[in-house]
Amino acid sequence: SQQGEEDPQALSIQEGENATMNCSYKTSINNLQWYRQNSGRGLVHLILIRSNEREKHSGRLRVTLDTSKKSSSLLITASRAADTASYFCATDVGSGAGSYQLTFGKGTKLSVIP
Amino acid sequence: NAGVTQTPKFRVLKTGQSMTLLCAQDMNHEYMYWYRQDPGMGLRLIHYSVGEGTTAKGEVPDGYNVSRLKKQNFLLGLESAAPSQTSVYFCASNPGRAGQPQHFGDGTRLSIL
Repeated sequence: SQQGEEDPQALSIQEGENATMNCSYKTSINNLQWYRQNSGRGLVHLILIRSNEREKHSGRLRVTLDTSKKSSSLLITASRAADTASYFCATDVGSGAGSYQLTFGKGTKLSVIP
Repeated sequence: NAGVTQTPKFRVLKTGQSMTLLCAQDMNHEYMYWYRQDPGMGLRLIHYSVGEGTTAKGEVPDGYNVSRLKKQNFLLGLESAAPSQTSVYFCASNPGRAGQPQHFGDGTRLSIL
């Protein structure tokens, strides 16, 4: 079953604009991670936010986490054509032998138009 | 560093054939995972391993077997391929410590006719 659900499913913006993607999940988490997948490639880790953190930045990326609403958002500022990809949120809810397992959402497909 | 390497990259099988997908990582990671990715379904965990000689079932294990005889390798087997197993298969690894991301290979695209 899907733990995380991204919204929107697809997003098309002009180069230079900001892109915001949202992720909702169902159960308590240890951390939430965002990954990027370029067409025909594997997933690449972008950023990890722990359950006791509310906001995290990495370059042009800003992630927020609201555990009371069980939601997270990924903001990409000043988007570039190279940001065109699918973006997935993944939640780590495990303990013991199940630790470090991730449950992925279905992804947001971002298109940045030059 | 090569990271996570998957072989083969593409394969076409006939229903009922068997094959093994190989995943190799050179990061000395403890944990390894096999996922499948289908259109509109995101990634789903098939099997995983928390160390050499161990394996465990994930969300969708039926029709697959795995082995982790060496720490750096994680094999995924299909004993009798079915069209429903047409998918893109991804391997990932993780150091097995809190707060560490998973590292992914570039996938194996498998079609079963």
